[in-house]
Amino acid sequence: NAGVTQTPKFRILKIGQSMTLQCTQDMNHNYMYWYRQDPGMGLKLIYYSVGAGITDKGEVPNGYNVSRSTTEDFPLRLELAAPSQTSVYFCASSYSGSPLHFGNGTRLTVT
Amino acid sequence: KQEVTQIPAALSVPEGENLVLNCSFTDSAIYNLQWFRQDPGKGLTSLLLIQSSQREQTSGRLNASLDKSSGRSTLYIAASQPGDSATYLCAVLGGGYQKVTFGTGTKLQVIP
Repeated sequence: NAGVTQTPKFRILKIGQSMTLQCTQDMNHNYMYWYRQDPGMGLKLIYYSVGAGITDKGEVPNGYNVSRSTTEDFPLRLELAAPSQTSVYFCASSYSGSPLHFGNGTRLTVT
Repeated sequence: KQEVTQIPAALSVPEGENLVLNCSFTDSAIYNLQWFRQDPGKGLTSLLLIQSSQREQTSGRLNASLDKSSGRSTLYIAASQPGDSATYLCAVLGGGYQKVTFGTGTKLQVIP
């Protein structure tokens, strides 16, 4: 049971490049989330999904896109990377109000 | 809009001391409250989850309490150890399962 797996762990992007952050969970959780964590700012919700085929925006969705074609996978797409997207990104999952389980994060730098 | 506050932002204590971390929230209409631990460069590890109908939860040296009416939760750590050094975050789950609001955390240092 691997829990929530995020790849890559680190990435450096140039301004304007695009990339996809991968997230997979093997706990059959219906809810999945993407957060970003900036120093001193806490975690901010980017997007979330309540099940396969259903996604919705969180607090800070601009510049990001998601898809949820399967229960297990919830990739986060960054289009036209900007320095403001330098952050640590966390994927999390849960089952309808049960404890949130987090991945180990992806540290992204945009230069 | 739910706001979650954790004070102090940082705390340093000698090993062996009992300590209390505080979490306050503005909207008492919550589903549950969860305490997490985050080590540097790592993800968040769930410590305790308290349902809105509960008053406290215990796990080993940790005890979390919840007072919905006053909008407060505390995490009590008994006989602190250097390995307890980490950032502790609380998160409140609101009206929908997607409405999780995090505090900014308390960075704890336990000095040997």
